[in-house]
Amino acid sequence: NAGVTQTPKFQVLKTGQSMTLQCAQDMNHEYMSWYRQDPGMGLRLIHYSVGAGITDQGEVPNGYNVSRSTTEDFPLRLLSAAPSQTSVYFCASSYTSGMGSYNEQFFGPGTRLTVL
Amino acid sequence: DAKTTQPPSMDCAEGRAANLPCNHSTISGNEYVYWYRQIHSQGPQYIIHGLKNNETNEMASLIITEDRKSSTLILPHATLRDTAVYYCIVSPPLPPHPGKTTDSWGKLQFGAGTQVVVTP
Repeated sequence: NAGVTQTPKFQVLKTGQSMTLQCAQDMNHEYMSWYRQDPGMGLRLIHYSVGAGITDQGEVPNGYNVSRSTTEDFPLRLLSAAPSQTSVYFCASSYTSGMGSYNEQFFGPGTRLTVL
Repeated sequence: DAKTTQPPSMDCAEGRAANLPCNHSTISGNEYVYWYRQIHSQGPQYIIHGLKNNETNEMASLIITEDRKSSTLILPHATLRDTAVYYCIVSPPLPPHPGKTTDSWGKLQFGAGTQVVVTP
């Protein structure tokens, strides 16, 4: 298994441009999520999904859209990039094995985004 | 509001045990304690989790106090590769099946963590 993959690894955008960060997992996990990490800080949840067709906002959703048309893919769209969105973006997936299941998340390698 | 409190940094000598404390005094009865770590520039990595009992795996041991208000992650023989930021997180369990709503999903809320530096 490749696990959680993210593309691109690096990206530079100009203010106002739009783009999509790709995330895919081949573990058949129901749960997927997007986090951002600013320098010297912990991860903050942007959006998450509990299955195909089901998404919800995390703590910092503004400026980002997501959709989940398949179990495998969970793209993150930046609608109009701003310098404040310069960050490292991590995608993660997790599974449930039954009632009261713990939440072991598998993280991708990250996308380093710079907005000029 | 942060649900866990960790020291911002700690040093450990290579080969010695590293004991990382975490306070979670407001933990609910069904919430798990998780530990993740993040080695520089990489995605976070799951280490271990626990509910009430102490747990051990190939990476670490987790000691949870009887009142569940604090825990300690133990790296038994620290190596240079254990240098990382360690995150202690409390979160409710995942629901058994994805539902039409997302209210009960166990979100992981990462704080600032503890920067552990292992020195030769």
